[in-house]
Amino acid sequence: AQSVTQLGSHVSVSEGALVLLRCNYSSSVPPYLFWYVQYPNQGLQLLLKYTSAATLVKGINGFEAEFKKSETSFHLTKPSAHMSDAAEYFCAVSRISGNTPLVFGKGTRLSVIA
Amino acid sequence: DAGVIQSPRHEVTEMGQEVTLRCKPISGHDYLFWYRQTMMRGLELLIYFNNNVPIDDSGMPEDRFSAKMPNASFSTLKIQPSEPRDSAVYFCASSPTGSNQPQHFGDGTRLSIL
Repeated sequence: AQSVTQLGSHVSVSEGALVLLRCNYSSSVPPYLFWYVQYPNQGLQLLLKYTSAATLVKGINGFEAEFKKSETSFHLTKPSAHMSDAAEYFCAVSRISGNTPLVFGKGTRLSVIA
Repeated sequence: DAGVIQSPRHEVTEMGQEVTLRCKPISGHDYLFWYRQTMMRGLELLIYFNNNVPIDDSGMPEDRFSAKMPNASFSTLKIQPSEPRDSAVYFCASSPTGSNQPQHFGDGTRLSIL
């Protein structure tokens, strides 16, 4: 069964600093991986998805993630944090394809300090 | 484009009452998912549909929960009778058919059972 582990329930960075949010997955089949962002009182918005076409995936708002099969990781990064990046971030894996239910990590709350 | 629309956004009711949550998926999307988000358990799947047919309802907590999708543009999640432990944010998501298609989430219904 697929599972996702997000290391660190809360990450705090200074504005302009590197953002690194960690995600490790467990999957018996080639995974379909996603990162979503949730702002307060809103639904989840897709940041990026792994398509197997490239190991480095670029998403919206300057975020990117690198798929590393050997490490079973899909960490999310952004070179320079902005105050507007403060939100909850979720890594997710789907069973077979994007059309099957997502299994989510517990989430990482990102705080950005001015 | 209209996104996934959920109603109501907030619901406060007393224990034992019937609760009905509603969802309108994005037009043309063949898959519809209901998720529940709580502090303790995070985001978890309740049920999902393909072409209005329930595919997997193994996440539905108990018989008090039921979900229907009478047509391609409408789904309901019903709780009867409601209990305080049902308090959570309930999300509806939809996706089109196709490999690696991401799910699009509504803004959720925040349910409080007193």
